[in-house]
Amino acid sequence: QLQLQESGPGLVKPSETLSLTCTVSGGSISSSSYYWGWIRQPPGKGLEWIGSIYYSGSTYYNPSLKSRVTISVDTSKNQFSLKLSSVTAADTAVYYCARRPGGIDAFDIWGQGTMVTVSS
Amino acid sequence: DIQMTQSPSSLSASVGDRVTITCQASQDISNYLNWYQQKPGKAPKLLIYDASNLETGVPSRFSGSGSGTDFTFTISSLQPEDIATYYCQQYDNLITFGQGTRLEIK
Repeated sequence: QLQLQESGPGLVKPSETLSLTCTVSGGSISSSSYYWGWIRQPPGKGLEWIGSIYYSGSTYYNPSLKSRVTISVDTSKNQFSLKLSSVTAADTAVYYCARRPGGIDAFDIWGQGTMVTVSS
Repeated sequence: DIQMTQSPSSLSASVGDRVTITCQASQDISNYLNWYQQKPGKAPKLLIYDASNLETGVPSRFSGSGSGTDFTFTISSLQPEDIATYYCQQYDNLITFGQGTRLEIK
């Protein structure tokens, strides 16, 4: 059964770059049927889509974050990654990675989430 | 950007009640709408996709309807385990979530 697991630092300093990795197990990230995405949730608030990537490397991002976001894929490691630059306290959130099948265009499998705090 | 507006933002109901949540899109999104359930401390769970299709394994008391700009999510008979926050999400143009509806037991 497919599982996703986020990993990365739980604390990032303001103005630095947040880097997270999502490891996919129980299935291949290279399947042509799926997109892979990042979603975040600030404490006590709602969900915000950050961006998505196809195994080929094509990406699309939330326009409000686009200037600071890079999502990449490493098919050899069955992983995809998120980099968010110039972070501020407003980027403090639980970050989720998720799978999005092209057939239903919904996030059907999610990681457990990882809390990232931006603080000096 | 497409804005998604959910109502109400919070809701209190009794076990066995019929519960309805609405989601309005700022422009026509056809049926490109999904619904998720999120329990405290957990990742969201997909319940409904393409406005009205029940995800595999989701109880049939959950349903969705609508198209264009107006959508409805219904729990036909509220169960204690349904206490959660519910989100709609459009994918007609990129991806946007509604602000969520927090459901509590009365």
